[in-house]
Amino acid sequence: ELKVEQNPLFLSMQEGKNYTIYCNYSTTSDRLYWYRQDPGKSLESLFVLLSNGAVKQEGRLMASLDTKARLSTLHITAAVHDLSATYFCGPGGGNALTFGSGTRLQVQP
Amino acid sequence: KAGVTQTPRYLIKTRGQQVTLSCSPISGHRSVSWYQQTPGQGLQFLFEYFSETQRNKGNFPGRFSGRQFSNSRSEMNVSTLELGDSALYLCASSLVTRSDEQYFGPGTRLTVT
Repeated sequence: ELKVEQNPLFLSMQEGKNYTIYCNYSTTSDRLYWYRQDPGKSLESLFVLLSNGAVKQEGRLMASLDTKARLSTLHITAAVHDLSATYFCGPGGGNALTFGSGTRLQVQP
Repeated sequence: KAGVTQTPRYLIKTRGQQVTLSCSPISGHRSVSWYQQTPGQGLQFLFEYFSETQRNKGNFPGRFSGRQFSNSRSEMNVSTLELGDSALYLCASSLVTRSDEQYFGPGTRLTVT
């Protein structure tokens, strides 16, 4: 059974700071998705990582994938309040897609 | 391109009743998956439909069922509602399989009293 572990589960950070969210998964997967969820809202796709070594950047967020280590990271650069949300990672491949517990990010002014 | 739509958006039901939720996927998407999201259990996969057939099922009791129509629209049904069924139910569509990029609907907030 595919298990997904996100660290940390909760992150409170100040505006302007950098931080990384980690997503570890237990079995081989050839792709990885990151989603954002605002309170009371649905999930919005952020990144689709399709190969080992894939790196994607959008604004202050950068995601990377290491399929050999079964690890993906979501790096936040110079955080701003608008990034406050819950972030989910989800390894996929074949017919499988399992989500982590989510990382609740709170950016303080 | 219109996104995934779900109806109704909010629903209040009483224990023991049954409920049907509806999901219309993005045009051209053939895979529809359903998820339950609760504060305690997080985001959990319910089932996936493709070409009117259930392709995968999560670990939920038989009270939870679904179906898909020939136009890819999907419904899920929960019978004999329990308080613990209160949750946000999310539908997601993707082109072919659940591991393609999924596009989520706004969700249906179900409250069981």
